[in-house]
Amino acid sequence: DARVTQTPRHKVTEMGQEVTMRCQPILGHNTVFWYRQTMMQGLELLAYFRNRAPLDDSGMPKDRFSAEMPDATLATLKIQPSEPRDSAVYFCASGLVWGGTGELFFGEGSRLTVL
Amino acid sequence: AQRVTQPEKLLSVFKGAPVELKCNYSYSGSPELFWYVQYSRQRLQLLLRHISRESIKGFTADLNKGETSFHLKKPFAQEEDSAMYYCALSDNSGGSNYKLTFGKGTLLTVNP
Repeated sequence: DARVTQTPRHKVTEMGQEVTMRCQPILGHNTVFWYRQTMMQGLELLAYFRNRAPLDDSGMPKDRFSAEMPDATLATLKIQPSEPRDSAVYFCASGLVWGGTGELFFGEGSRLTVL
Repeated sequence: AQRVTQPEKLLSVFKGAPVELKCNYSYSGSPELFWYVQYSRQRLQLLLRHISRESIKGFTADLNKGETSFHLKKPFAQEEDSAMYYCALSDNSGGSNYKLTFGKGTLLTVNP
C-alpha cells in the first residue's frame, strides 16, 4: 500500500531556527504539493512541482520559505528563519496527472511549533 | 483566479438528520471539483469528485454551474461522518496546470 511519507511528524523549535520538512511522494507520481493547514486559513497551497520542476510557489513567503525536489523521491520545505506565525501542520501530497485519476494522496503531516 | 468558499466553519447535526455542506467556487474556466475528508487522526483523503458522479458513504455532490456550487449532501447522517470536510477545485486550463485549491473546510459533528 503506497503512501506519502513525511518527516518529522512533530517539530518544536525556537524562533529564528531553521526548519526542514521532508516528503517522499508515492513512486511514479509526477506532481507534488506542499500545503499548510491552520484553524484560521484551512489548507493553503504553498508550492507545487510537476516532474520535479516548480510550477507555482506564489503561496510561500519568499524571504523565509523555500521548496525543492532534489530528486523524484524527495521533496523538501525549508523555513529559515522560523517565526511563531509559522506554527501549523504542513502537508505534502502527491498525484499523477495525465494517466491518473487526478486524486491527491496526502501524507500524515508535519506539526510545527515555533516558540 | 480560482477560489473556493465554504461558508460554514462548523456544522452540527443529529444522527439520522440530513446534512448539507456548502461549497461555492469562483473560476473562469471549466472546473473540476472534489470533496476531501479528514477523519480524526487520519490522513486527508478523497471522498468524491464531480466527474465520477458517484455516491460514496452515502454522500453525493452535484456540480451546479449556474450557481457555481458543489454542495455535499447526505440524507441520513451517521456518527462516523464526523470529520473535517474540504471542498477543492482543480485548475485544468489547457490540461497543463492541475493546481488544486481548497476551501477553508467545514467541521461536521454528528451527535448521537
